[in-house]
Amino acid sequence: EIVLTQSPGTLSLSPGERATLSCRASQSVPSSSYLAWYQQKPGLAPRLLISDTSKRATGIPDRFSGSGSGTDFTLTISRLEPEDFGVYYCQRYGSPFTFGPGTKVELK
Amino acid sequence: QVQLQESGPGLVKPSETLSLTCTVSGASISSYYWSWIRQSPGKGLEWIGFISFTGTTKYTSSLESRVTISADTSKNQVDLKLRSVTAADTAVYYCARIMVEGVHGMDVWGQGTTVTVSS
Repeated sequence: EIVLTQSPGTLSLSPGERATLSCRASQSVPSSSYLAWYQQKPGLAPRLLISDTSKRATGIPDRFSGSGSGTDFTLTISRLEPEDFGVYYCQRYGSPFTFGPGTKVELK
Repeated sequence: QVQLQESGPGLVKPSETLSLTCTVSGASISSYYWSWIRQSPGKGLEWIGFISFTGTTKYTSSLESRVTISADTSKNQVDLKLRSVTAADTAVYYCARIMVEGVHGMDVWGQGTTVTVSS
């Protein structure tokens, strides 16, 4: 069973800065279709940001981008906006639909 | 647009069965996969299981012996039952739609429902 590890645990940044979030899988993800990213803000349900490693979900601004393959995947936020602060989870798509432990992006 | 609404008791006693319903509007449950996910207080997301449009179910291994997901097509609802609950099952429970074509992700989520296990 694939285990996902996310780093860093917490990222302290200012608006306008670039955020780079890492997701590492314990074994190779068999297809680029099988990695997704979600954003969660306090008290709210998660929201799909990126599917299939690099496809932005409907309504997601282009400052969010995803990349990677094999065991290493990255979510990049090119210029942080105030509404981007929250927790980000990667997910292995496919049974089991494992989530990583999350990276908290907080205001510096 | 597609909307999901979780419902069920907010308080369940230890050893009893947790029963939740996800009511879907704007889409037929017979056309998609549906999943349950939970989040313990202050913790990350834990996938519980899914039901496909053919009725196939898959569960996370740690809960497989206690969990059942079923669908009621006449009511357009997806149900979750978790038996023999303990305090460790206290969490916010979410239902979500799993897309299997074009987009591979959980694209619509309910707002979640909080369940506390306590006597």
